Amino acid sequence: QEKVQQSPESLIVPEGAMSSLNCTFSNSASQSIWWYQQHPGKGPEALISIFSNGNKKEGRLTVYLNRASLHVSLHIRDSQPSDSAVYLCAVKTSSGQKLVFGQGTILKVYL
Amino acid sequence: NSKVIQTPRYLVKGQGQKAKMRCIPEKGHPVVFWYQQNKNNEFKFLINFQNQEVLQQIDMTEKRFSAECPSNSPCSLEIQSSEAGDSALYLCASSPRINQDTQYFGPGTRLLVL
Repeated sequence: QEKVQQSPESLIVPEGAMSSLNCTFSNSASQSIWWYQQHPGKGPEALISIFSNGNKKEGRLTVYLNRASLHVSLHIRDSQPSDSAVYLCAVKTSSGQKLVFGQGTILKVYL
Repeated sequence: NSKVIQTPRYLVKGQGQKAKMRCIPEKGHPVVFWYQQNKNNEFKFLINFQNQEVLQQIDMTEKRFSAECPSNSPCSLEIQSSEAGDSALYLCASSPRINQDTQYFGPGTRLLVL
C-alpha cells in the first residue's frame, strides 16, 4: 500500500521568504504527485502536479521530483500571509485512480 | 475554484443513527470520489464512480457505508449506523476523466457522531 510522508509538520516563515516543503512516497511506479492547499473550513485545492523526473515551475511555485529517491519537494517563492494553510502531498496510485495523501504541513507566513 | 457542491455542511447524529450527505459534481465531470479526512488530517479513500458505476471501494465502505451516483440526481454517501469513529470531514471530489486529471474537491460535510 502506498505511503506518503511529509516534513516538516509545521513551518513558520516571514513574508517574502522561500517556503520549502518535502514529501516522500513508497512506490516509484506511482503515476503522478500532486500538491494541494487547504484553508480552514474548505476542501483541498490543487496547486501543481508533476509526473516526470525533474522540476516544474508555475508562478511562485516550483516542484522537484526525484523518483529514484522517492522524494518530491514544493518551494513557494516570495511567501505571502495568504499562503498560510495546510499543504498536502498526494500520490495518484498505479492501482486505481484514488489519491493517497500525506498528513500535511502547516505553513504560517507572518508579516 | 471548485464548483463541487456538498450538503449539508454540518451533520450531527447519535450513535446508531443514519447519516446521509450529498454531492453535486462539477458540470461535465463523470468521475466522483469520496474521501474521509479525520481530525489528524489523515485521508481515507472510500469509493469512486464513473457515471453511475462503482470503480473502486474499500472494505469499510462495503459494510456500513453505501454510496450512489444516480443519473440526473446528486451523488450521496450514507452511513447506515453511525459510530463515534465516523466523526470526520467527508470530502467529495470530481474529475473530468479517470486518468491523470485534477480532482476538484468540495468544501466537505463535517459529521459529528455523539
